[in-house]
Amino acid sequence: DAKTTQPPSMDCAEGRAANLPCNHSTISGNEYVYWYRQIHSQGPQYIIHGLKNNETNEMASLIITEDRKSSTLILPHATLRDTAVYYCIVRVGGGNQGGKLIFGQGTELSVKP
Amino acid sequence: GAVVSQHPSWVICKSGTSVKIECRSLDFQATTMFWYRQFPKQSLMLMATSNEGSKATYEQGVEKDKFLINHASLTLSTLTVTSAHPEDSSFYICSAPQGKDTQYFGPGTRLTVL
Repeated sequence: DAKTTQPPSMDCAEGRAANLPCNHSTISGNEYVYWYRQIHSQGPQYIIHGLKNNETNEMASLIITEDRKSSTLILPHATLRDTAVYYCIVRVGGGNQGGKLIFGQGTELSVKP
Repeated sequence: GAVVSQHPSWVICKSGTSVKIECRSLDFQATTMFWYRQFPKQSLMLMATSNEGSKATYEQGVEKDKFLINHASLTLSTLTVTSAHPEDSSFYICSAPQGKDTQYFGPGTRLTVL
């Protein structure tokens, strides 16, 4: 699976959009981009994933560049409860065979009042 | 979303004893589950893939005789840390995929070995 690079930490003001970047320049054509987050001392939580097109759900938006070498996770209106470590993971999608997730160091997002 | 539970949520044991951690998928079946370990201030490290009805697949460097995995049913996987030592103290997390692309994680089990 392709390796990802994320900034180690970011701050965001409460109520503002949080934009978390991820570089995955060696991504393959059949690899998806997944985002998970881990709030302190809890198990990770799935946020969103995508292949080529931008995706949006009730939690966040995922913007993937046209060359797929980078992506940005957007939390439109960050709250204090969004303070967590955010992990960007790329892997082959579909089926349990591709289910293994390899976590990098992630970005520690601190949302401040 | 789907729920994955772990039991116990925390455990303290003496050095040399064995500890069993359970991972259950509560509202879906999982033929595969994954076990991770996380040390303080570090990321999750995949330990092994638990396969229902067959042997677990361990990641490189993980001792299969020390970390015994049993996938007893489509909703239950157990991880037994045998002859635990203080260096095994960690946060153990399981996960189970549902459908093609989504994976759900348990809340984790904090193991402290004295």
